[in-house]
Amino acid sequence: AQSVTQLGSHVSVSEGALVLLRCNYSSSVPPYLFWYVQYPNQGLQLLLKYTSAATLVKGINGFEAEFKKSETSFHLTKPSAHMSDAAEYFCAVSADQGAQKLVFGQGTRLTINP
Amino acid sequence: ETGVTQTPRHLVMGMTNKKSLKCEQHLGHNAMYWYKQSAKKPLELMFVYNFKEQTENNSVPSRFSPECPNSSHLFLHLHTLQPEDSALYLCASSQDLTGRYGYTFGSGTRLTVV
Repeated sequence: AQSVTQLGSHVSVSEGALVLLRCNYSSSVPPYLFWYVQYPNQGLQLLLKYTSAATLVKGINGFEAEFKKSETSFHLTKPSAHMSDAAEYFCAVSADQGAQKLVFGQGTRLTINP
Repeated sequence: ETGVTQTPRHLVMGMTNKKSLKCEQHLGHNAMYWYKQSAKKPLELMFVYNFKEQTENNSVPSRFSPECPNSSHLFLHLHTLQPEDSALYLCASSQDLTGRYGYTFGSGTRLTVV
């Protein structure tokens, strides 16, 4: 079965600084990996996804994530934080094996300081 | 209208009331999901439907009663709820039961039980 761990329930960065949100996964088969963003009182919106093509995946709003099989990681980064990036971010994993549902991490709340 | 639409966006109900949440998707997806999101808790998967048949019920109390008349519509009927049931209820859909394509979420219904 797949699982995902997000390191750090809260991350705070200054506006213009690098954003790094960490995600480690566990999967016995090649995974599909996703990052979602949730703004207050909204649903989850897909930021980007890895589906075994390029290991560096670019998403919306300037975010990108790199799949590192050796580290079982899929960390989310953005070079320069903007105030509008303040939200909750969820990493999720699935696999192409049977009816494998999407398994979500606990979420990381990102705060941007002016 | 495209995407996943949830109504109402906000709902306040007494413990003796009966109400229903509605979810509708126009994406041609075959699987639909109900999630509960409480403050400071991870996403909780409640129910899963595939081709309008329930495939998963994660020990949800019977005061929550789902209904899926077709692959495009999903309801959550509520009765005699408790204050701890106050949460954001999210509906999602996916192409099939595998998570490889990701899920599309609605904006949620903010439920307050008084």
